[in-house]
Amino acid sequence: NAGVTQTPKFRVLKTGQSMTLLCAQDMNHEYMYWYRQDPGMGLRLIHYSVGEGTTAKGEVPDGYNVSRLKKQNFLLGLESAAPSQTSVYFCASSYRRGTGELFFGEGSRLTVL
Amino acid sequence: QQQVKQSPQSLIVQKGGISIINCAYENTAFDYFPWYQQFPGKGPALLIAIRPDVSEKKEGRFTISFNKSAKQFSLHIMDSQPGDSATYFCAASKGNRDDKIIFGKGTRLHILP
Repeated sequence: NAGVTQTPKFRVLKTGQSMTLLCAQDMNHEYMYWYRQDPGMGLRLIHYSVGEGTTAKGEVPDGYNVSRLKKQNFLLGLESAAPSQTSVYFCASSYRRGTGELFFGEGSRLTVL
Repeated sequence: QQQVKQSPQSLIVQKGGISIINCAYENTAFDYFPWYQQFPGKGPALLIAIRPDVSEKKEGRFTISFNKSAKQFSLHIMDSQPGDSATYFCAASKGNRDDKIIFGKGTRLHILP
């Protein structure tokens, strides 16, 4: 019972490099989310998706892009990484709009040098 | 603009004591208030949630108290145990009228053995 799986778990980038974080869920959830967690800042919503082929901006979308080509996958991309994007990224999925329990992955720790 | 304000940032409680974490919100459109618990190296997990039509919800040692007029809600952990040591996040959403769940900044709770 995998739930929500994030890859990679750790990554170190140099400023200006690009990368993609992959989130996969096996619960057939419609809703998927990307959050970033920083010390003292809590969880901030980057982008989210309400279904296959849809994406929407959250609180802190700048510098990130997302795609939801398949229902089970939600990709978070950084086109030109900056040190300010050093963070722990969490993917979550939910079966219901707004009031559904969020099921989180274990996080991806990204360091941008 | 922080929509959910959480306090304290950190909390130390003796084993067997009561841990209290407070949250306040501004948007009266919020009508679903979950609490998430996060252990080190793991993603957050839903602990307990409340809607504003009730003033209190209890699940085991965990209780949410809700004050709609004051736009405040709090988490009480009775008989706190070392295993409760974790980071706790309050959150809010507009229920099924919105896709987003907004989190507070978190409280790091440490229970002394």
